[in-house]
Amino acid sequence: SQTIHQWPATLVQPVGSPLSLECTVEGTSNPNLYWYRQAAGRGLQLLFYSVGIGQISSEVPQNLSASRPQDRQFILSSKKLLLSDSGFYLCAWSLSGGVAKNIQYFGAGTRLSVL
Amino acid sequence: LAKTTQPISMDSYEGQEVNITCSHNNIATNDYITWYQQFPSQGPRFIIQGYKTKVTNEVASLFIPADRKSSTLSLPRVSLSDTAVYYCLVPLYNQGGKLIFGQGTELSVKP
Repeated sequence: SQTIHQWPATLVQPVGSPLSLECTVEGTSNPNLYWYRQAAGRGLQLLFYSVGIGQISSEVPQNLSASRPQDRQFILSSKKLLLSDSGFYLCAWSLSGGVAKNIQYFGAGTRLSVL
Repeated sequence: LAKTTQPISMDSYEGQEVNITCSHNNIATNDYITWYQQFPSQGPRFIIQGYKTKVTNEVASLFIPADRKSSTLSLPRVSLSDTAVYYCLVPLYNQGGKLIFGQGTELSVKP
């Protein structure tokens, strides 16, 4: 069966420090991969998505970047965190074809607090 | 983009059937309707997806009228553990899997 791992679960970082969040998927090949952010309250904001190694689409211009160095690995990074980067970060994967790509499977999330 | 509109919040009691309606007036021919559930501090979880008429699984039913401009998620006999936010999405057929989450409907189930 497929599983998604996302770590760390919580993170407290000072303003101006770098960030690296990692997400890995097991049990499937060539998945679509996604990074979302959820601020306090509801509504998920799609940050990045990837349909293959090295292929990254950015949805919102911001202080963050994403990379996909391996088929099932997705990394969210920042060189210098801002206060506004605080939030709940979620990684997700889906199959890449047909209506199955509408079904996304989410990781447990990372609660990031920038102080 | 097929924008969706759903109530911000709903209240219910244990054992009742809950129906959450979502409008998507500009849904396109090839678009599907997808619902997710999210508990606090967790990622959303896929519930059900449909194209037309009725779809049922072990969790919920989805009713879609012939014009497909709305859909209704039906949760039978809710329990306290069904308290969550429910999102209605219409992923664009040709948008490579992008999902645009709105604010969702916050369902509160009371004893």
